[in-house]
Amino acid sequence: AQSVTQPDIHITVSEGASLELRCNYSYGATPYLFWYVQSPGQGLQLLLKYFSGDTLVQGIKGFEAEFKRSQSSFNLRKPSVHWSDAAEYFCAVGAYSSASKIIFGSGTRLSIRP
Amino acid sequence: EAGVTQFPSHSVIEKGQTVTLRCDPISGHDNLYWYRRVMGKEIKFLLHFVKESKQDESGMPNNRFLAERTGGTYSTLKVQPAELEDSGVYFCASSQVLRQEQFFGPGTRLTVL
Repeated sequence: AQSVTQPDIHITVSEGASLELRCNYSYGATPYLFWYVQSPGQGLQLLLKYFSGDTLVQGIKGFEAEFKRSQSSFNLRKPSVHWSDAAEYFCAVGAYSSASKIIFGSGTRLSIRP
Repeated sequence: EAGVTQFPSHSVIEKGQTVTLRCDPISGHDNLYWYRRVMGKEIKFLLHFVKESKQDESGMPNNRFLAERTGGTYSTLKVQPAELEDSGVYFCASSQVLRQEQFFGPGTRLTVL
């Protein structure tokens, strides 16, 4: 079955600290992996995506993610968080071969401690 | 370039009433998707249009939900009659033909009392 698991429901980090949000997926075909962010009152914004090539991908707002095929993981990282990073983050997977539905994880809510 | 827009942003209705949500995709995007997030749960796929045709409606929960995309432009999602469990945020997304990168709208928060 196709699924995405985000094991951390809520994470709190101090401003300036590093961040890693975990994501594991299960997908039968070649996956197209995404991280989206939803800030309060906003829609879903694409942070970054990965299909092939360098397994470390850079996104917007200073975020990066690393694809590890052997672990079926696509963890999101940021070296130093800012108060404006407080939001909910969603890992997602879709099929590269066609425009089709995206399967989302349940999300991780990030709080920033001043 | 305008992004995906959704109307209304919020809707509060009583159980048994009808509500219609609207989505305007990015101009030129043939693919249009509806998703829903029920409180505390993951965002789940509802259906996918390619132009005016339903490509995949496997996520539609039941026949109280009716989606249309007349003319292949904007789409509507009607819930009739609404039930309490329909409360949540309904997202619309669009993408170009054969492209998987989906652009999401701000969502419509539906509350059924």
